[in-house]
Amino acid sequence: GAVVSQHPSRVICKSGTSVKIECRSLDFQATTMFWYRQFPKQSLMLMATSNEGSKATYEQGVEKDKFLINHASLTLSTLTVTSAHPEDSSFYICSASAPGGAAYTGELFFGEGSRLTVL
Amino acid sequence: GENVEQHPSTLSVQEGDSAVIKCTYSDSASNYFPWYKQELGKRPQLIIDIRSNVGEKKDQRIAVTLNKTAKHFSLHITETQPEDSAVYFCAASIVPMLTFGGGTRLMVKP
Repeated sequence: GAVVSQHPSRVICKSGTSVKIECRSLDFQATTMFWYRQFPKQSLMLMATSNEGSKATYEQGVEKDKFLINHASLTLSTLTVTSAHPEDSSFYICSASAPGGAAYTGELFFGEGSRLTVL
Repeated sequence: GENVEQHPSTLSVQEGDSAVIKCTYSDSASNYFPWYKQELGKRPQLIIDIRSNVGEKKDQRIAVTLNKTAKHFSLHITETQPEDSAVYFCAASIVPMLTFGGGTRLMVKP
C-alpha cells in the first residue's frame, strides 16, 4: 500500500516554543491529508483537514492560530504547534488519502505519529 | 457530523476464545467502515474493512459484519492469540473523512 512518513517521531520542547511536524506521502500524491491528535488511552480525534494549495479546515474547538497547517505541495503537509504548552503534549498522527479513480478504496494511510512532550 | 460509539472499552479473553467488538454510527451516509489495530505508541494498522454494499467480510480469523438498517457493525476475532492484544478502533467514513470510535483494549490471556 501507499506509504506516509512523519517526522519527527519524538520531540521534547520547552513551554512557549514552536514545533513543526512534517507529513509526507512517499509514493503517491495526496491532495488531502488529515491531522489527528491522540491523548493517552483515548481515541484519535480529527484536528483538521489539510488541502493542497488552500487553507486547512479545522474541527470545532481546534485553534487554527495555534495549530498552523501548511500543505504547500502534493506530498507534504506540516503541522506547527505554536507557543506550545504542557497541555499540548500528545501523540499527533497524520494520514493521507490515495488518489481517486477506479482503484480508489477510501483507505487512509497513516504516518508513524509524533509524540510531543512540552516541558 | 458523524458519531461513532464503540463497546466494550476493555475486553479480556482467554487464548483461543473469540472476541467481539461492536460499533454504532449515526450518519446513514457513511459508506466505508474500517477497523484498525493500534499498538502502544504506533500508528493504527488497517486489519479489515467493509463497504456499505456488503453485509459481511472475512479474512482468516477476522470477520466484520455490517447492518446498515440498524447502523451498527461488529468485529469478530476467532481463536485469539496473545499477539492479538492491542487497542482496536472502528471507524465510519464518508470517504475520505474518518470518524473513530472510542477504542477497545483487548487483552488475550495465555
